[in-house]
Amino acid sequence: NAGVTQTPKFQVLKTGQSMTLQCAQDMNHEYMSWYRQDPGMGLRLIHYSVGAGITDQGEVPNGYNVSRSTTEDFPLRLLSAAPSQTSVYFCASSTTPNRLFINEQFFGPGTRLTVL
Amino acid sequence: RKEVEQDPGPFNVPEGATVAFNCTYSNSASQSFFWYRQDCRKEPKLLMSVYSSGNEDGRFTAQLNRASQYISLLIRDSKLSDSATYLCAVNDYGGSQGNLIFGKGTKLSVKP
Repeated sequence: NAGVTQTPKFQVLKTGQSMTLQCAQDMNHEYMSWYRQDPGMGLRLIHYSVGAGITDQGEVPNGYNVSRSTTEDFPLRLLSAAPSQTSVYFCASSTTPNRLFINEQFFGPGTRLTVL
Repeated sequence: RKEVEQDPGPFNVPEGATVAFNCTYSNSASQSFFWYRQDCRKEPKLLMSVYSSGNEDGRFTAQLNRASQYISLLIRDSKLSDSATYLCAVNDYGGSQGNLIFGKGTKLSVKP
């Protein structure tokens, strides 16, 4: 199994450009999520999905869109890139949590995004 | 926002030392607790889940103290390869469906 894969590994954008960060997993996990990691801020949840067709906002959703048309894929779209979106983006997946318990999340290798 | 707090360190220790990290959490209803390890410019990887009774995996021991709302990680006989940032994570019970809230991490540097 490849686990969680992300593309691209690195990306440089100009302010106002749009792009899609790709995330795929081959573990048949229902739950997928996107985080951004900034120095001194830790991992912050952007959006998450508990299954195909279901998405919801996390802590910092503004400026990002997601969709989940298949179990395997969970792309993150930057609508109009801003310098504040310069960050490292991680996608993660796990088996389905319930409100009490959550299982281990597996992370992809990350995408390093710079917005000029 | 429910909080998960860690001492950022860095903890600079010699090889062979024992080092302990604590992580406090604010949501008393949380039920799932984890320690992740993150190497520089890499993704977080699960180190240990933390169970109510505590658990041990080789040189690593994790404990949960519900009364004081913290989890701990003890590393014995530190190796150079233990140098990394250690993240604690707690489930956001009552908030988003079981999402994890991560601490900002504690940096460990093991010196020869």
